[in-house]
Amino acid sequence: NAGVTQTPKFRVLKTGQSMTLLCAQDMNHEYMYWYRQDPGMGLRLIHYSVGEGTTAKGEVPDGYNVSRLKKQNFLLGLESAAPSQTSVYFCASSYPIGSPLHFGNGTRLTVT
Amino acid sequence: RKEVEQDPGPFNVPEGATVAFNCTYSNSASQSFFWYRQDCRKEPKLLMSVYSSGNEDGRFTAQLNRASQYISLLIRDSKLSDSATYLCAASTGTASKLTFGTGTRLQVTL
Repeated sequence: NAGVTQTPKFRVLKTGQSMTLLCAQDMNHEYMYWYRQDPGMGLRLIHYSVGEGTTAKGEVPDGYNVSRLKKQNFLLGLESAAPSQTSVYFCASSYPIGSPLHFGNGTRLTVT
Repeated sequence: RKEVEQDPGPFNVPEGATVAFNCTYSNSASQSFFWYRQDCRKEPKLLMSVYSSGNEDGRFTAQLNRASQYISLLIRDSKLSDSATYLCAASTGTASKLTFGTGTRLQVTL
């Protein structure tokens, strides 16, 4: 039972490069989320989705884009990476409303 | 003011001690509450949901006080393996979006 799987686990980018983080869940959850975690800041919501084909902004959406073309996948894109986007990124899923989130094991991104 | 606030600690306690963490939330419309445990460089893992009537899971007890807008976590008979960061979270509105506190670090020592 894989749960929530994130790829890649680690990545180093140069400023201005682009990349896509992939999140896949096999629990048939409607809701999916991308968070970033920084020291002293806690987990902050970047974008989320309430179902296939839908996306919405969270607390810190600037510099990121997302897509949910399939129910099981939620992609997070960085079009032009900046050092401020150095962080640990967590994907999560949940359903139904009021349920706890299940997290993937994270992607450590460093932008130099 | 942050929506969800926690004392960052660290709380250093000896094995066998009882330790309690509080977490306050500012949005009175918050509906669901959770405690997560996060080990160093790992993902948060659900420890327990927090129900209005309070709930217990082994050595762990969670309480919710809606009037004062805080939730609490009590750990009895602390084990070395309880050393971790404990995150509280509150859900408001649609889509079960969770807002997290910054976490409280617990270190249990011999």
